[in-house]
Amino acid sequence: GAGVSQSPSNKVTEKGKDVELRCDPISGHTALYWYRQSLGQGLEFLIYFQGNSAPDKSGLPSDRFSAERTGGSVSTLTIQRTQQEDSAVYLCASSLIGQRETQYFGPGTRLLVL
Amino acid sequence: AQSVTQLGSHVSVSEGALVLLRCNYSSSVPPYLFWYVQYPNQGLQLLLKYTSAATLVKGINGFEAEFKKSETSFHLTKPSAHMSDAAEYFCAVSDPASGGSYIPTFGRGTSLIVHP
Repeated sequence: GAGVSQSPSNKVTEKGKDVELRCDPISGHTALYWYRQSLGQGLEFLIYFQGNSAPDKSGLPSDRFSAERTGGSVSTLTIQRTQQEDSAVYLCASSLIGQRETQYFGPGTRLLVL
Repeated sequence: AQSVTQLGSHVSVSEGALVLLRCNYSSSVPPYLFWYVQYPNQGLQLLLKYTSAATLVKGINGFEAEFKKSETSFHLTKPSAHMSDAAEYFCAVSDPASGGSYIPTFGRGTSLIVHP
């Protein structure tokens, strides 16, 4: 079946511009996670959605970052007024409600802020 | 609080040799532990996971890992390396009592290089 998909696969933007990154989770997966992978670093948790519950935003690095999930499916991560340090790979993952410890990752969006 | 330390940012082996990637964790509760593999320009793929059942866990592609509580370790091994094993490997820990979120903490990764 289809896995987690993310778009765009690559994004180049200028400092100060806003960007939107999209994640389509696996159908039926109610949990959705966003992570950031910076060069030479591990994965940094950003935000977690579970069904209709309030999202866990504890990993968002600043108020320039926000995310939403519409209809319990597609999620959009928005970065406002991008900075060069926002350059990274942004990964999305989803999991089943009964197996939330097992996450399935998308291919990521590579963001470069010039 | 939980943390993961992966010893060695790069590990180089010859094709056919033993692969050993080291992971030590810190957790205040019995953890869940994971190894993921990431090929270039791809997302992470789960290799194997430990969720408090058997301490020796077998995963895909011939990899296995052993949970050693006394050593707080979860090292990844494979008896014989293949060229296709060259990738980045991440160890991760999560707290099963985290209210159901299972948000993992990842190590910084180990790049496995396989020489012919």
